[in-house]
Amino acid sequence: KQEVTQIPAALSVPEGENLVLNCSFTDSAIYNLQWFRQDPGKGLTSLLLIQSSQREQTSGRLNASLDKSSGRSTLYIAASQPGDSATYLCAVAGGSYIPTFGRGTSLIVHP
Amino acid sequence: NAGVMQNPRHLVRRRGQEARLRCSPMKGHSHVYWYRQLPEEGLKFMVYLQKENIIDESGMPKERFSAEFPKEGPSILRIQQVVRGDSAAYFCASSAGLAGGSTDTQYFGPGTRLTVL
Repeated sequence: KQEVTQIPAALSVPEGENLVLNCSFTDSAIYNLQWFRQDPGKGLTSLLLIQSSQREQTSGRLNASLDKSSGRSTLYIAASQPGDSATYLCAVAGGSYIPTFGRGTSLIVHP
Repeated sequence: NAGVMQNPRHLVRRRGQEARLRCSPMKGHSHVYWYRQLPEEGLKFMVYLQKENIIDESGMPKERFSAEFPKEGPSILRIQQVVRGDSAAYFCASSAGLAGGSTDTQYFGPGTRLTVL
């Protein structure tokens, strides 16, 4: 059974910092890994999706990497802004193609 | 092109009542997934449906919970005889194609927050 862990659970940083969110998973036989953003009381917005054959994906100030052999992914956010404040979820899909979610990292970027 | 719609956004029920949650997928999508998010926990998969078929219900409790996705109309997640432990946010996602295919990207709705008194 796939288990997904996200560290840290919460993070508070001043505006402008570069930061790294971590996701680890126990079963390396994955189909893809996806990073989502969830704002309070809202649904999930997909940020980046990495297929199992890929090592990283980039979108604007976001970069996600995948190391299947070590069961790790990182989400790098450059030059953080207050608008980045949200909960970031990592989801790993395996052979059933149904994603298993971590509990998320709650990020606050203060001005 | 409207996104995934869920209604109601908030639902309050007393113990023992029934809760019906609706999900209208994105236009052109025929695959629907339901997830539950309990307080302080991650999203947990419940059920995956295609029009008129349940593809995977491995995450759905065996009792009191049922889901359908009829040929016409929204997908319905039904919870009978609700208990306090059912209080959670229920999210629906839809995709154009079969899970594992090239068009399986899931798009999430805003969720329904169920409170059981």
